[in-house]
Amino acid sequence: DAGVIQSPRHEVTEMGQEVTLRCKPISGHDYLFWYRQTMMRGLELLIYFNNNVPIDDSGMPEDRFSAKMPNASFSTLKIQPSEPRDSAVYFCASRKTGGGTEAFFGQGTRLTVV
Amino acid sequence: LAKTTQPISMDSYEGQEVNITCSHNNIATNDYITWYQQFPSQGPRFIIQGYKTKVTNEVASLFIPADRKSSTLSLPRVSLSDTAVYYCLVGTFSGAGSYQLTFGKGTKLSVIP
Repeated sequence: DAGVIQSPRHEVTEMGQEVTLRCKPISGHDYLFWYRQTMMRGLELLIYFNNNVPIDDSGMPEDRFSAKMPNASFSTLKIQPSEPRDSAVYFCASRKTGGGTEAFFGQGTRLTVV
Repeated sequence: LAKTTQPISMDSYEGQEVNITCSHNNIATNDYITWYQQFPSQGPRFIIQGYKTKVTNEVASLFIPADRKSSTLSLPRVSLSDTAVYYCLVGTFSGAGSYQLTFGKGTKLSVIP
């Protein structure tokens, strides 16, 4: 398996624009997580899905952020409108039931909002 | 969620054994202890998971005392490529798909030639 695949790897956008980050989890994994990492706040869990259903979105910073998982092989994280403080590295991770606490992370998307 | 405390940074010479200790005084009965490694510009990578006593895999060992209020990640004979941030997490997947794992600040390990 190619692992968790995220796109794009880098994104630079202007404040106010819509940004969509994409993730393809490992086939057969039934959990999908979206994290954000900054120097100030470290790794923060934004939202996670189990069997394509959002379970906990309490980490989503505000209504400008939304996430979807239309099927088992694809998820998006959308920011609309984007703000400079959204600049961070966004990671997607997946896990399979019975796999203990092991989750597999993608390479991340580095988002810069100017 | 159980809070973890670990050193902010550590230095070690190549070839030495490195032990990173994590405190988790309010660990719950169902919680597991998990360690992740993160290299710059990469996502975290799972290293090891344990519940009690000692766990060993091809990468590291995890020592957990009987009271489980702390744990120690042991990296044998580190090399320059082990320079990374190491995270200790405490939690588990509970019922109905509930996820209870939180990343702390981590320990930045620098291996010196």
